[in-house]
Amino acid sequence: AQKVTQAQTEISVVEKEDVTLDCVYETRDTTYYLFWYKQPPSGELVFLIRRNSFDEQNEISGRYSWNFQKSTSSFNFTITASQVVDSAVYFCALSEAGGGSQGNLIFGKGTKLSVKP
Amino acid sequence: DGGITQSPKYLFRKEGQNVTLSCEQNLNHDAMYWYRQDPGQGLRLIYYSQIVNDFQKGDIAEGYSVSREKKESFPLTVTSAQKNPTAFYLCASSPAGYTEAFFGQGTRLTVV
Repeated sequence: AQKVTQAQTEISVVEKEDVTLDCVYETRDTTYYLFWYKQPPSGELVFLIRRNSFDEQNEISGRYSWNFQKSTSSFNFTITASQVVDSAVYFCALSEAGGGSQGNLIFGKGTKLSVKP
Repeated sequence: DGGITQSPKYLFRKEGQNVTLSCEQNLNHDAMYWYRQDPGQGLRLIYYSQIVNDFQKGDIAEGYSVSREKKESFPLTVTSAQKNPTAFYLCASSPAGYTEAFFGQGTRLTVV
């Protein structure tokens, strides 16, 4: 069965600290897609990244970086030099290629990040 | 501007009443989705539609109904059969294929 686990419910850091948000997934498909979304207090989900199962190359975008490891079924997200504006709930999600549910996202429960000045 | 519009942002209803949440997109996306979010929980899929006049149940479809008469619109009706309707509802859309979904700003429904 497919599942996404974000074990960290809440994380609190002080501005400029680095922080890593963990994501572990389960799927039987060999082709799948992984996502990270940010949900600020306004409620709208903001897309951050998509990664397909054949591309294990890590990615960096400014202060954000993602570490995808198929061997451990993990897709962790690191924010370097955190800022107050990074405070939000972050969701990891999985989309499987098979089963006729194309595009449907399976979400983890989210990690609430609080960055204090 | 292109995007997804959900209305209203806040909605209050009395117990036992049906209520319809609006979702409109002008992104020309084929697929549309409705998710429910409860405090401390991830998003759970209610219904989705990949083409006009066709839709499928998600994981928690009981007590909800949808229609897809136009590509741009995917309204969700929360019926009186839904036992615990108070929640945050998010609508999303995506192009065909496994690209990212784009989300609206959500509707917070409170049933009193």
